[in-house]
Amino acid sequence: EIVLTQSPGTLSLSPGERATLSCRASQSVGSPYLAWYQQRPGQTPRLLVYGTFTRAPGIPDRFSGSGSGTDFTLTISRLEPEDFAIYYCQQYDTSPLTFGGGTKVEIK
Amino acid sequence: EVLLVESGGGLVQPGRSLRLSCAASGFIFDGYAMHWVRQIPGKGLEWVSGINWNGDRVGYADSVKGRFTISRDNAKNSLYLQMNSLRPEDTALYYCAKDRTYSSSYFTGAVDVWGQGTKVTVSS
Repeated sequence: EIVLTQSPGTLSLSPGERATLSCRASQSVGSPYLAWYQQRPGQTPRLLVYGTFTRAPGIPDRFSGSGSGTDFTLTISRLEPEDFAIYYCQQYDTSPLTFGGGTKVEIK
Repeated sequence: EVLLVESGGGLVQPGRSLRLSCAASGFIFDGYAMHWVRQIPGKGLEWVSGINWNGDRVGYADSVKGRFTISRDNAKNSLYLQMNSLRPEDTALYYCAKDRTYSSSYFTGAVDVWGQGTKVTVSS
């Protein structure tokens, strides 16, 4: 099974700042097969990015995904108040599909 | 509107069984793979199982393999999860989830629609 490790566990930033979230895989993931989700408190997860780079419909362009192999990144260029949430990466290259443990982006 | 509505959760004793159901609407159900994902409150997401559009390809997390069985009835636009030999560590909110890729032969995909979840508690 591919283990995904997200870092940092918590990111404390102010609105308007840039957030960089990391997702590292225990073995290489095919680049089309990495996704990012956002989960706000009390809500279901929301797909942000799939195929490493592609934003899901309706996702603002301040969210961008990058990476390949074992290292992937989600960048939020300028944090808006609604962006403070938990973010999960997911690989869907190989079964079993796996999620990372999450990164919480909190207001500093 | 795309909707996924789970049912069948509840309180069950360890070792017993439970069957979850998911009623889908608002999209071409038999065109998409489907998934079950669970979440312990306050914790992260865990993919449980996936099934391709016609049910001939399925996959499971190692933690549930041999105990859980995923299935679907395309005529009823429904997804199911039969859970046997339940353990306390299976306690979680179980989400039904739709794969984003249309007409894929596989169950491996990103999830673009989530239900609200059904709560499963395994305790004596």
